[in-house]
Amino acid sequence: GDSVTQMEGPVTLSEEAFLTINCTYTATGYPSLFWYVQYPGEGLQLLLKATKADDKGSNKGFEATYRKETTSFHLEKGSVQVSDSAVYFCALSEGAQKLVFGQGTRLTINP
Amino acid sequence: DTGVSQDPRHKITKRGQNVTFRCDPISEHNRLYWYRQTLGQGPEFLTYFQNEAQLEKSRLLSDRFSAERPKGSFSTLEIQRTEQGDSAMYLCASSSLGTSGGQQETQYFGPGTRLLVL
Repeated sequence: GDSVTQMEGPVTLSEEAFLTINCTYTATGYPSLFWYVQYPGEGLQLLLKATKADDKGSNKGFEATYRKETTSFHLEKGSVQVSDSAVYFCALSEGAQKLVFGQGTRLTINP
Repeated sequence: DTGVSQDPRHKITKRGQNVTFRCDPISEHNRLYWYRQTLGQGPEFLTYFQNEAQLEKSRLLSDRFSAERPKGSFSTLEIQRTEQGDSAMYLCASSSLGTSGGQQETQYFGPGTRLLVL
């Protein structure tokens, strides 16, 4: 079945550092790919998405590119802030249906 | 648009008791999903509805679990004879299926109901 594998955490960085969180997937078809973020005490929020190969999703300075050849959707940000501290989830969906999530990566940014 | 709401936010119960959770989706969203999230893991799909029809159920959804969406608006998730292994965060999400077939809709999540079974 479909699955998502994320870089294990936790990840701790200093403010203004460059961030990469790796995500690879296994799917039978051509899924849509998502990054969701969960801030402390809040629900899951969509951060960005990409629906086909080579699409780049972006939001709030974060970017991820749908790489079909490497089945990857790595999350990047050039300069992180303390307010980016959260848990990040990579997910896929086939046929506009259920989401399949990775295990999550906890990110802590120190000032 | 007030977002997805869930009630209660927290529930503590004793093993063997029944519990029921409610989810109110974003108004006019025709799809509603239930997921379960245990500590340190990503959410796992349980079931989803399109309007009032339950279209898919995960193998995680044992016969002690039942979900309904009687009028195609709010949904309830009931767990009968709770077990300690049911302790988790139960998440609800809603979306609006696009009129063009295959359009990928965004799922919007509620804050979740955290269940602790003692």
